[in-house]
Amino acid sequence: DAKTTQPNSMESNEEEPVHLPCNHSTISGTDYIHWYRQLPSQGPEYVIHGLTSNVNNRMASLAIAEDRKSSTLILHRATLRDAAVYYCIYLGRDDKIIFGKGTRLHILP
Amino acid sequence: NAGVTQTPKFQVLKTGQSMTLQCAQDMNHNSMYWYRQDPGMGLRLIYYSASEGTTDKGEVPNGYNVSRLNKREFSLRLESAAPSQTSVYFCASSRDRVGTGELFFGEGSRLTVL
Repeated sequence: DAKTTQPNSMESNEEEPVHLPCNHSTISGTDYIHWYRQLPSQGPEYVIHGLTSNVNNRMASLAIAEDRKSSTLILHRATLRDAAVYYCIYLGRDDKIIFGKGTRLHILP
Repeated sequence: NAGVTQTPKFQVLKTGQSMTLQCAQDMNHNSMYWYRQDPGMGLRLIYYSASEGTTDKGEVPNGYNVSRLNKREFSLRLESAAPSQTSVYFCASSRDRVGTGELFFGEGSRLTVL
């Protein structure tokens, strides 16, 4: 099974950057790293994905370690609406997409 | 923009009753997934279908059956519901194995088994 490790929870102040870490030590060279977030009472939604290079989109940035065994989701300026559970995943050889418990991000006003 | 549609959104069952959760996607995706999410927990994979005509067990398949009826539809059946199956169920789809494509989720089906 493709498993990742994330901290259970993190806190950040509003309007400050947030760095959410993820370890994926068993990732293979062709597996993409994906990040999703789940707002309260909603299904998960896509945030960003990448393979080797750092990636940016309108929601966030993704920094991938050179050895690809870890990555960091960066929210450049957190707002109260960013309070959610953030999941880091990748697809392993057996096609199972395992989410784990994710990181619950609390934003302090 | 329908995306992934799940029905029903809410259901209450008695122990031992059966029911089927329906999921349909209109994006011509090959892969579909069923997850359950218990209160305060992450998502756990029940079953998945990498392509039409194939299904495979996920992390927690016991007590469930699935059918990939066609490319669009992937149903989840509880033959004899138990209180431990009280949960929110999410269906998801992706174009192929999660690579350059993203996973799209439905809004969830909240099931209570008394």
